[in-house]
Amino acid sequence: GNSVTQMEGPVTLSEEAFLTINCTYTATGYPSLFWYVQYPGEGLQLLLKATKADDKGSNKGFEATYRKETTSFHLEKGSVQVSDSAVYFCALNAGNMLTFGGGTRLMVKP
Amino acid sequence: GAVVSQHPSRVICKSGTSVKIECRSLDFQATTMFWYRQFPKQSLMLMATSNEGSKATYEQGVEKDKFLINHASLTLSTLTVTSAHPEDSSFYICSARPGTSGGNEQFFGPGTRLTVL
Repeated sequence: GNSVTQMEGPVTLSEEAFLTINCTYTATGYPSLFWYVQYPGEGLQLLLKATKADDKGSNKGFEATYRKETTSFHLEKGSVQVSDSAVYFCALNAGNMLTFGGGTRLMVKP
Repeated sequence: GAVVSQHPSRVICKSGTSVKIECRSLDFQATTMFWYRQFPKQSLMLMATSNEGSKATYEQGVEKDKFLINHASLTLSTLTVTSAHPEDSSFYICSARPGTSGGNEQFFGPGTRLTVL
């Protein structure tokens, strides 16, 4: 079956540090890949997505590249802010069903 | 566009009572809606998938008689937690997917926090 594996958190960074959150997946076929962000007490917001191999999704300074050869979709940001503190979920969509990773909590300190 | 609302955002109820949570797509028609449950510091667990006008499809291990789902229109799905108990306390999140013209992306509601005393 389909699965998504993310690095466990929490990830604690200082403001302006570089962020990488690893995500790898297992799926049959050609899934679409997503990163969602969840702020405390809220639902999920779509951060970025990529629908085919070598696509790069980007939004709000975050980016991730769909790597079919390594089945990965790592999330990166060059300079994090305190306001980026949240939980980040990697997900894949195959057969119209979303499969989520376990989530990675990011804490950014001033 | 593509806004999904949930009501209520928080609910506290006594053990044994039933609670209804509404999920609405505000600016699009959702042929399919999903209900997820999220425990503290954990990922989302899909509970069921509902298609407008038909019975919901429940994931393995989810009691359909306890978690009643109704998708009566293209903009509204409801989840009723019947005879709620403290172990049902959780964060419930719905998502909605537009019709075929909108692709397969899901749009999420803000969630409903249920506390059963």
